[in-house]
Amino acid sequence: DAGVTQSPTHLIKTRGQQVTLRCSPKSGHDTVSWYQQALGQGPQFIFQYYEEEERQRGNFPDRFSGHQFPNYSSELNVNALLLGDSALYLCASSLVGGIVYGYTFGSGTRLTVV
Amino acid sequence: AQTVTQSQPEMSVQEAETVTLSCTYDTSENNYYLFWYKQPPSRQMILVIRQEAYKQQNATENRFSVNFQKAAKSFSLKISDSQLGDTAMYFCAFTTHGGGSQGNLIFGKGTKLSVKP
Repeated sequence: DAGVTQSPTHLIKTRGQQVTLRCSPKSGHDTVSWYQQALGQGPQFIFQYYEEEERQRGNFPDRFSGHQFPNYSSELNVNALLLGDSALYLCASSLVGGIVYGYTFGSGTRLTVV
Repeated sequence: AQTVTQSQPEMSVQEAETVTLSCTYDTSENNYYLFWYKQPPSRQMILVIRQEAYKQQNATENRFSVNFQKAAKSFSLKISDSQLGDTAMYFCAFTTHGGGSQGNLIFGKGTKLSVKP
């Protein structure tokens, strides 16, 4: 049973560019959440998608946007990259109503902005 | 504001011994879920143990157990018979039950645990 798959694993971008990160949820899961983890910190919630709609959003600017496809996979887009966007981006999937079981995380995409 | 505090940035323990990681949280909600996640160098967050706030009995998963004190808003993790593979960052997290929606996870800053041979 495949877990959460994220691509790419590493990415280097230049300040001002745009980036797209991808996530395939665990089989059977229908909800995808994205987190940003700065070096030495705990993950911070960016947003959550369910039924192809953004359901919740954390304290992140509009430069961060996302999408969920009919097969439940998801993309995270970041425009006008800043040096401070350098971080590990984690995708987590879950089953709506299955909150008690927690979330399954991928191994993340390490984004470096230079 | 809902917060999670892990007051021990780093800890070390000898192999086969027991270690306890501390976590406190703040929320006005009455129905919520608590988790401990492990993040090894591979970066993937791995669920270690979970606790439902309405259950008074402390959760246990093999060598891992928690001490859940709801009134004190404390949720510590005890690792017994520590193994070298337990070396990792450990994050305490919680989420509220948002009705039909999934609550987002709120994480602490983590505790770096080193198990020494």
